[in-house]
Amino acid sequence: DAKTTQPNSMESNEEEPVHLPCNHSTISGTDYIHWYRQLPSQGPEYVIHGLTSNVNNRMASLAIAEDRKSSTLILHRATLRDAAVYYCILRDNNNNDMRFGAGTRLTVKP
Amino acid sequence: EAQVTQNPRYLITVTGKKLTVTCSQNMNHEYMSWYRQDPGLGLRQIYYSMNVEVTDKGDVPEGYKVSRKEKRNFPLILESPSPNQTSLYFCASSLSILAGDYNTGELFFGEGSRLTVL
Repeated sequence: DAKTTQPNSMESNEEEPVHLPCNHSTISGTDYIHWYRQLPSQGPEYVIHGLTSNVNNRMASLAIAEDRKSSTLILHRATLRDAAVYYCILRDNNNNDMRFGAGTRLTVKP
Repeated sequence: EAQVTQNPRYLITVTGKKLTVTCSQNMNHEYMSWYRQDPGLGLRQIYYSMNVEVTDKGDVPEGYKVSRKEKRNFPLILESPSPNQTSLYFCASSLSILAGDYNTGELFFGEGSRLTVL
């Protein structure tokens, strides 16, 4: 199964952009890249996903490298409510399976 | 309201006493999965199910059983719980990828079940 590698933790200042990196060098051609986040005392929630092209939605942007071996989740203006653990996951297109790693704990400072 | 419901939310039990954590979803999702979350280890998958009567092991299946007799339910069974199964458990569901392009593959999670085995 394809795996992802993320930094354990990152810090950001409020209202500044945040770039959360993820490496997935063994990604296969049909794996989708998904991002979830987990706020304190809650279950994970979907943030964004993509295959090859960059994606934008109301929560964030996803930048995918041309070789697809890495991606970056971009929060354009971090708020205190964005403090969470962010997970980068590859979805196996053959069986819909998604396996999480340890994620990146984002701290947002006022 | 679309949701994934887990019960119980909190449970303290003793070693060896069989227990079941129920999971039910009302979104007609084919795919369901169980995860456990431990400090510093993130979410680890226990079992998943692609559809009724189809289940597969995840990364940490030892000590657990599951069944998928109905589409909406995916109970997690601990036949003989041990202290190392003390954890926070999450159930999740999503549409199958076979549902088509409109399927984002978004996983919907329950609120979690905190289990303590003494």
